[in-house]
Amino acid sequence: KAGVTQTPRYLIKTRGQQVTLSCSPISGHRSVSWYQQTPGQGLQFLFEYFSETQRNKGNFPGRFSGRQFSNSRSEMNVSTLELGDSALYLCASSDQSNTEAFFGQGTRLTVV
Amino acid sequence: AQRVTQPEKLLSVFKGAPVELKCNYSYSGSPELFWYVQYSRQRLQLLLRHISRESIKGFTADLNKGETSFHLKKPFAQEEDSAMYYCALGPGSQGNLIFGKGTKLSVKP
Repeated sequence: KAGVTQTPRYLIKTRGQQVTLSCSPISGHRSVSWYQQTPGQGLQFLFEYFSETQRNKGNFPGRFSGRQFSNSRSEMNVSTLELGDSALYLCASSDQSNTEAFFGQGTRLTVV
Repeated sequence: AQRVTQPEKLLSVFKGAPVELKCNYSYSGSPELFWYVQYSRQRLQLLLRHISRESIKGFTADLNKGETSFHLKKPFAQEEDSAMYYCALGPGSQGNLIFGKGTKLSVKP
């Protein structure tokens, strides 16, 4: 089975721009979760999608949004980028929420 | 509040020494506890979970509900154990996994 795939691996954006990150889950997995990883805050939950519906949401501003397609692929969008959005964004898939989560290698976003 | 605390940011031991990575949690109800590991340049992956009660790569972890702890232990550390270790708790109030901030384990030769 192919693992969780995230694209792109690296991104450099300037303040004020917007960015879209992509995640392809393991085949058959319908739950996709997004996390932000920073050295200071560790792993923080952004949101989770299940069968094209946002099922859970963390405490991030509305600039952070996402969606899931019928094939379970998910995208995350960040608008009006701030320097503090620089982080590693991780996607994880599972066959149902709260069982083993399989992580992608992440997208490293740098905002300059 | 639901929280996971890993008190040590960095733990350094010599090869062959015992290692214990501490994890304490705050949760009302019946939690699921996990340990995830991230080796250098690799993705985060599940190491073990308390409900399976298994030993992976020589690591074990016992859930102590009285002390609200889920410490990760290995009797004899190996250099290849050097990695970031994250304790995680689920389900959170938002149905998610709640991660601790991680402990970097460094095993010296």
